[in-house]
Amino acid sequence: DTAVSQTPKYLVTQMGNDKSIKCEQNLGHDTMYWYKQDSKKFLKIMFSYNNKELIINETVPNRFSPKSPDKAHLNLHINSLELGDSAVYFCASSQTGNSYNEQFFGPGTRLTVL
Amino acid sequence: AQSVSQHNHHVILSEAASLELGCNYSYGGTVNLFWYVQYPGQHLQLLLKYFSGDPLVKGIKGFEAEFIKSKFSFNLRKPSVQWSDTAEYFCALTSGGSYIPTFGRGTSLIVHP
Repeated sequence: DTAVSQTPKYLVTQMGNDKSIKCEQNLGHDTMYWYKQDSKKFLKIMFSYNNKELIINETVPNRFSPKSPDKAHLNLHINSLELGDSAVYFCASSQTGNSYNEQFFGPGTRLTVL
Repeated sequence: AQSVSQHNHHVILSEAASLELGCNYSYGGTVNLFWYVQYPGQHLQLLLKYFSGDPLVKGIKGFEAEFIKSKFSFNLRKPSVQWSDTAEYFCALTSGGSYIPTFGRGTSLIVHP
């Protein structure tokens, strides 16, 4: 069984469009995350979310917004897509309470904005 | 603020060579340290982690890392690499005050058969 899953795996769209990426985890973790990995493989955290708080990386444009219908899901909505949004987006989850708990990553969504 | 530095951005080795990837961090308090690996086209997965106890940590696939507190380092080692070790390697840190990890920029390892 897949622990952290994302859909779609590939997303190709035009500039200006609005798109969503879905993420689900079946690990029972209480916190989920979104990361952006650029073409140089640099991994940047965008959001951290649990049922108590949303922590936003202040460098993330407000065109990006996380939506969590329940503990097992954290979807990423992107409005008015720009060329610079092209990247691989990873969802992850972890169990907080102990900072030594590792993160479990999804397979990634490769977003290409034309 | 905490930070993680990986000074080797690209490493190229032949099979059977020994590997050491550097990871240094900046944080004054208690830390938890992780190495993640990302195989081509795949997601990140945990190789090993340190949070307390023996500073020499053994992980999967023959990897190990040593936490040296005085040097603020957590270098990753493997005595003999294989072609299948070709991947991106990321060092990461969490601290007692935050469960959100800080990642290094990653090291790209290419192993020639």
